[in-house]
Amino acid sequence: EAQVTQNPRYLITVTGKKLTVTCSQNMNHEYMSWYRQDPGLGLRQIYYSMNVEVTDKGDVPEGYKVSRKEKRNFPLILESPSPNQTSLYFCASSTPNGGRTSGYEQYFGPGTRLTVT
Amino acid sequence: AQSVAQPEDQVNVAEGNPLTVKCTYSVSGNPYLFWYVQYPNRGLQFLLKYITGDNLVKGSYGFEAEFNKSQTSFHLKKPSALVSDSALYFCAVRDGRYSTLTFGKGTMLLVSP
Repeated sequence: EAQVTQNPRYLITVTGKKLTVTCSQNMNHEYMSWYRQDPGLGLRQIYYSMNVEVTDKGDVPEGYKVSRKEKRNFPLILESPSPNQTSLYFCASSTPNGGRTSGYEQYFGPGTRLTVT
Repeated sequence: AQSVAQPEDQVNVAEGNPLTVKCTYSVSGNPYLFWYVQYPNRGLQFLLKYITGDNLVKGSYGFEAEFNKSQTSFHLKKPSALVSDSALYFCAVRDGRYSTLTFGKGTMLLVSP
């Protein structure tokens, strides 16, 4: 089954304790992205990756890191989490080379709800 | 820069009535437009997209959307709402030249029995 998986699904942590949220896709997609969803703000892009070893900042990158060492994986790293990073996080993937008709439709993971106290 | 506006935080409609969820956009190039739906405690699910061609696009669960270039709109519609359509709906746009997707803030659709 084609899917994007995220782990963990729920995480409660304390300020300053480094954490990693994993994201993996099995569709051989080149493009992967991280979003955070906050009430009244919709989804905002954190980081994205056009391919292996190619990453770039989205709209709200502060406090986050990413890496793309393999095509299928795109972990999100919070080196020193703070309460304002409490949010619902989504990973997504698509294929930028899928042809003009694909529109680069993105496939989303189930989300990770993070609480930082 | 590209942007999306969903002017309604919430839309209320009675079951069986037609529904419309509004979306307007701004891009410098050719728009690629999408609608996604999010059910409680779930991720986003793709509903439909406009890339090129016919301005009326049909998607999943009986939804459709009309691309209007002059009004820069891409409103989501359904002829007859179901209670199970109650969810959070997001409009999204990307400039045809890039892969970054910009989302609106979302519209909560509530369908009453």
